Amino acid sequence: RKEVEQDPGPFNVPEGATVAFNCTYSNSASQSFFWYRQDCRKEPKLLMSVYSSGNEDGRFTAQLNRASQYISLLIRDSKLSDSATYLCVVTLSGGYQKVTFGTGTKLQVIP
Amino acid sequence: NAGVTQTPKFRVLKTGQSMTLLCAQDMNHEYMYWYRQDPGMGLRLIHYSVGEGTTAKGEVPDGYNVSRLKKQNFLLGLESAAPSQTSVYFCASSYRGGGYNEQFFGPGTRLTVL
Repeated sequence: RKEVEQDPGPFNVPEGATVAFNCTYSNSASQSFFWYRQDCRKEPKLLMSVYSSGNEDGRFTAQLNRASQYISLLIRDSKLSDSATYLCVVTLSGGYQKVTFGTGTKLQVIP
Repeated sequence: NAGVTQTPKFRVLKTGQSMTLLCAQDMNHEYMYWYRQDPGMGLRLIHYSVGEGTTAKGEVPDGYNVSRLKKQNFLLGLESAAPSQTSVYFCASSYRGGGYNEQFFGPGTRLTVL
C-alpha cells in the first residue's frame, strides 16, 4: 500500500460546483497534513494546512479523519482559476519529519 | 525577494555526461531539499540539508550528490547521467523542518538525458 494515495482524476466540474477530494495515508503515526496546489508545469505551492478540528479558508475547507486515516479538501463555488493538481502532503514525526507527497488529483473546472 | 530560484530551467544531456543544478534562496531558511517529479510518482526526495555544511540522503539518492557550502545555496550534481534521471527537479526550502513549515519551491529544472 502506498504511504499516501490520491485519486488522480481528472475531476471535471462546471463553474460554481462543489467538489471534494480525499487522500488516504497508511501510517497512523502521521502528524502533520497539508494540501498543496500545482499548476501545469509549475512548482507546488502551499494551499492550506489541515488541522485536527478542520479548517476553512474562503471557499476551501480541509478536514482530517484520524480514525479512518484520510484528509479531505472541499472546494465550494469552483472557479476556472481553481483548475490545477492538488497534492496531499503527510508528515511523520521524528528527527527529520519525513514528508511524503501524494501523486495529486487533477481538477478541471469547465465554463 | 526572489524566493527560491533554480538554474538552469532546461537541460538536455547525453548519457554519461555530468552537470550541476543550482538552487538559491534568499529567505534565510535553514532547510533545503531536492526533489524529482515523475508522472504517476509524485515528488520524491533526493537529498536534503538541515543547515550549512550538512546534507543527508532522502528517498532516492543514488546517482546524485549534493553540497551546501553556503546557507543560501544547495547544489545537486549528477556525476554520470542516465536516461532514468530524465525528470523535473524541484528545489525547496523551509524555515524549519518541512513537517511543520511551508516548503517554498523553485520553478523547477526540466532535464532530459538521451
